[in-house]
Amino acid sequence: DAGVIQSPRHEVTEMGQEVTLRCKPISGHDYLFWYRQTMMRGLELLIYFNNNVPIDDSGMPEDRFSAKMPNASFSTLKIQPSEPRDSAVYFCASSPSTGGSTDTQYFGPGTRLTVL
Amino acid sequence: AQSVTQLDSQVPVFEEAPVELRCNYSSSVSVYLFWYVQYPNQGLQLLLKYLSGSTLVKGINGFEAEFNKSQTSFHLRKPSVHISDTAEYFCAVSKGGYQKVTFGTGTKLQVIP
Repeated sequence: DAGVIQSPRHEVTEMGQEVTLRCKPISGHDYLFWYRQTMMRGLELLIYFNNNVPIDDSGMPEDRFSAKMPNASFSTLKIQPSEPRDSAVYFCASSPSTGGSTDTQYFGPGTRLTVL
Repeated sequence: AQSVTQLDSQVPVFEEAPVELRCNYSSSVSVYLFWYVQYPNQGLQLLLKYLSGSTLVKGINGFEAEFNKSQTSFHLRKPSVHISDTAEYFCAVSKGGYQKVTFGTGTKLQVIP
């Protein structure tokens, strides 16, 4: 398997613009997680899905952030409008609920977002 | 809710020396415990995990960790580190089978030649 795929790898945008981050989980994994990593706050869970349904979005910072998972192989995290404080590395991870790897999260390479 | 505390933010160690990275957890229920490693500009990857059974868990790259329920600890050890072990290490906990994982703040291991 190719692993978790994220795009773009780097994104530079100006304050106020809409940003969309994309994730393709590992085939067969029924959980998908979005994290944000910064020097100041470390690794934060933003939201996670089970079978395409959002389970816990308590980590989403504010209404400017939204996430969707229209099918088992694709998810998006959108920021509208973006602000400089959103600059961070955003990770997507997936995990299976059955088998020997249950509870193990497989991370993508991340998207480094810079908002000017 | 469960949580983890990584007591050291940075650990410098000379090459070929042993290292221990400390992790303590808190939870009122049975937990799963994990150690992940993050190399520069990469995502996290699993080093090892404890779900049940033997309290000594062996992982990849020569790392091992010991689950100590009485001390609520899950320290990571390696008897002899290499330059390539320079990375950030994250301890994590989940309530068994509930998928949502809480990560610690990370420990940066710097291996000095």
